[in-house]
Amino acid sequence: SSELTQPPSVSVSPGQTATITCSGDAFPKQYAYWYQQKPGQAPMLIIYKDAERPSRIPERFSGSSSGTTVTLTIRGVQAEDEADYYCQSADSTSIVMFGGGTKLTVL
Amino acid sequence: QVQLRESGPALVKPSGTLSLTCAVSGDSIRSSNWYCWVRQAPGKGLEWIGQIYNSGRTTYHPSLKSRVIISPDNSKNQFSLKVSAVTVADTAVYYCARGGINGMDVWGQGTSVTVSS
Repeated sequence: SSELTQPPSVSVSPGQTATITCSGDAFPKQYAYWYQQKPGQAPMLIIYKDAERPSRIPERFSGSSSGTTVTLTIRGVQAEDEADYYCQSADSTSIVMFGGGTKLTVL
Repeated sequence: QVQLRESGPALVKPSGTLSLTCAVSGDSIRSSNWYCWVRQAPGKGLEWIGQIYNSGRTTYHPSLKSRVIISPDNSKNQFSLKVSAVTVADTAVYYCARGGINGMDVWGQGTSVTVSS
């Protein structure tokens, strides 16, 4: 089955822009989804269908897609954004896959 | 407001069967959405286990397919997960979630399951 590859960690200073990539053969044929997970909490959907954002999610979170890579961008990073971020997609047979996760550290 | 809540034993013996239930409120499991199980081993990432949709159709992770059954209980608006022949590698927090074309937008709080004798 397909795999999704994310960098294990990304570090950024407050107010800067963080970019987290996710690469895989599922893209661009299938949609990408992004989840934020803070310690001890369930994951939370922050981006769906590559670039759509649920209404409760701040505008500083955005998603984009280019070829076989999708990107989560967080502009004006805040301390509260420190978390693990996972990309997710599915293959043509509806087998769902998650990326390995990226730990975002706010310096 | 849609809510999901997992329940089940916190401890399972090796070679036994892990059984969990996800109670759904605010939506019907027979809706156009699909309902999933996702797990997270200690210190590890998210692993999709499988999902149920279209009133009973299922899709499973290829590596777990031989040991997993997800089934609906329409009368109680809940769905269950059974994992047979468990080992310590099945120790994890198990989440149920509502999925669909708009992503897994509602998650349960998760339930921790330990496989140990």
